[in-house]
Amino acid sequence: GQNIDQPTEMTATEGAIVQINCTYQTSGFNGLFWYQQHAGEAPTFLSYNVLDGLEEKGRFSSFLSRSKGYSYLLLKELQMKDSASYLCAGMDSNYQLIWGAGTKLIIKP
Amino acid sequence: GAVVSQHPSRVICKSGTSVKIECRSLDFQATTMFWYRQFPKKSLMLMATSNEGSKATYEQGVEKDKFLINHASLTLSTLTVTSAHPEDSSFYICSAHTPGHHTEAFFGQGTRLTVV
Repeated sequence: GQNIDQPTEMTATEGAIVQINCTYQTSGFNGLFWYQQHAGEAPTFLSYNVLDGLEEKGRFSSFLSRSKGYSYLLLKELQMKDSASYLCAGMDSNYQLIWGAGTKLIIKP
Repeated sequence: GAVVSQHPSRVICKSGTSVKIECRSLDFQATTMFWYRQFPKKSLMLMATSNEGSKATYEQGVEKDKFLINHASLTLSTLTVTSAHPEDSSFYICSAHTPGHHTEAFFGQGTRLTVV
């Protein structure tokens, strides 16, 4: 079956760094996505990885290891506005997104 | 980036009535749109894949007669919740990929449905 696993909740301090991990199992693979979702709002796109390695985009970076079925989202210089849920999604061979349950990130001052 | 507009953002309706939610792609033609439902503190649950000019493909466990999907044009898909019940109260979100470009799904703003 297809499955996405990520932690339910994480807490970090403003200004620090946090890494949110995601492991995936999909039927075929066409990429790994990270989305940010604030409460009551639709998800917004953060990153897409289809090749192994690290993709850096400002304060956010995303890493992929296809052989391990593993990805992480790295958030640096955390700000209070980064408090949100972070959704990991794998795209299968039919280009369908398989969603994780999301990781609620709590930022403390 | 591409824009998907969803309307209404919030709706309250009485049990037994029907509610229509619209999803429009504003600056691209979406041959395929996706409808999701999200329960509090849960991830997105794919309900159906809406294909322009043909019948929608529903996920297992989703009632076709209750959640009517119409994709009459390349820029508009609608989800109608028929004979709504309180358990249908949820957050409904549509999304679309730009044709031939699967590297990002663009989401509508979502619709918070409350059935009283």
